[in-house]
Amino acid sequence: GAVVSQHPSRVICKSGTSVKIECRSLDFQATTMFWYRQFPKQSLMLMATSNEGSKATYEQGVEKDKFLINHASLTLSTLTVTSAHPEDSSFYICSARGTSYTGELFFGEGSRLTVL
Amino acid sequence: DQQVKQNSPSLSVQEGRISILNCDYTNSMFDYFLWYKKYPAEGPTFLISISSIKDKNEDGRFTVFLNKSAKHLSLHIVPSQPGDSAVYFCAASAGSGGSNYKLTFGKGTLLTVNP
Repeated sequence: GAVVSQHPSRVICKSGTSVKIECRSLDFQATTMFWYRQFPKQSLMLMATSNEGSKATYEQGVEKDKFLINHASLTLSTLTVTSAHPEDSSFYICSARGTSYTGELFFGEGSRLTVL
Repeated sequence: DQQVKQNSPSLSVQEGRISILNCDYTNSMFDYFLWYKKYPAEGPTFLISISSIKDKNEDGRFTVFLNKSAKHLSLHIVPSQPGDSAVYFCAASAGSGGSNYKLTFGKGTLLTVNP
């Protein structure tokens, strides 16, 4: 199947700093990418939908100024957590859908963010 | 409001027996359902899906059943293997024929298959 890679897999940062997480589709072009976060024992919660070359669409309750999403190319989307706080500590996962609709998404490995 | 519910947080079965994972949904607009499998510290991987026009889809050891009137679907794994031990997420989408669609996930069920 298609491969989606996330980097870094783990990151620890100090409160107030910004952290960037990359999501790459390695063997296909992803016109649409989705960013999720997951708290322990909770479901994956969609944060935003990003389309290549246009602004991301954020879900209700997600601060767009805090979670900056850039989808500058068909193979790369980035999520930047700005001025991170301990409550931003979570597991962030991206997924990508290719140009031909198949009914399935391909997920990255996830990134564990810990804010001290 | 949890639109996709997996009421069993965990399930334990013996190797070789059947595993049945259940999922209920409340949004009648959902027309496409998917099951994902997730190992610790990894992203979910797609397992099997079903469209609302069907009531059953089978792929090897995995079968998904959909009961639209009850807004219920289930994933059957038979025979269960220790390697099937993982968290299984049920997901649903509405209007999947469009160019964008969003998945709504359940909280997941941890399946443990004992040798």
